[in-house]
Amino acid sequence: GQQLNQSPQSMFIQEGEDVSMNCTSSSIFNTWLWYKQEPGEGPVLLIALYKAGELTSNGRLTAQFGITRKDSFLNISASIPSDVGIYFCAGRYGNKLVFGAGTILRVKS
Amino acid sequence: GAVVSQHPSRVICKSGTSVKIECRSLDFQATTMFWYRQFPKQSLMLMATSNEGSKATYEQGVEKDKFLINHASLTLSTLTVTSAHPEDSSFYICSARVGGGSDEQYFGPGTRLTVT
Repeated sequence: GQQLNQSPQSMFIQEGEDVSMNCTSSSIFNTWLWYKQEPGEGPVLLIALYKAGELTSNGRLTAQFGITRKDSFLNISASIPSDVGIYFCAGRYGNKLVFGAGTILRVKS
Repeated sequence: GAVVSQHPSRVICKSGTSVKIECRSLDFQATTMFWYRQFPKQSLMLMATSNEGSKATYEQGVEKDKFLINHASLTLSTLTVTSAHPEDSSFYICSARVGGGSDEQYFGPGTRLTVT
């Protein structure tokens, strides 16, 4: 079945630094999504990508849908303490989502 | 817009009892809802797809008689964990697909189930 490889597994960065995380897959997806989950909460949709090569921003967040449709990255610029959480990539096939393992982000102020 | 609620947020039950979790789309109608399970420090695993007015579709390895799903209206899906055991303890999260121009899933806040 489809699997997403998400990296890095965790990051501990200084406030103000930029962050980059990515997901790769052996399968092609028509949609890539990035979610953020905070402890005890459900995931919140950050960015949705629908076209190969698409680059989309949401405030300090920027994500790209790889040209091969098998990968995506998420960048966070000028990190702040409230960026702390777990970031998941997800690929959509049909009406289902498959999730990456998540990247745990911790920010030191 | 696209708000999904879950109730209860936390539940503790004894082994052998059944627990019902509700998932509601508050400001939109959802013909399709999804139920996920998440273990600590792990990713979300899809359990089943809930379709309004029809039987749910379960993922491989998920017991349909153990996890009963009812999607009786366009805004409500329920998951009942029957004869719960400690290994059923987990974080259960539902999502609802908006449909129309946006086809994305919006997630509820989750329900923490602890079976003692």
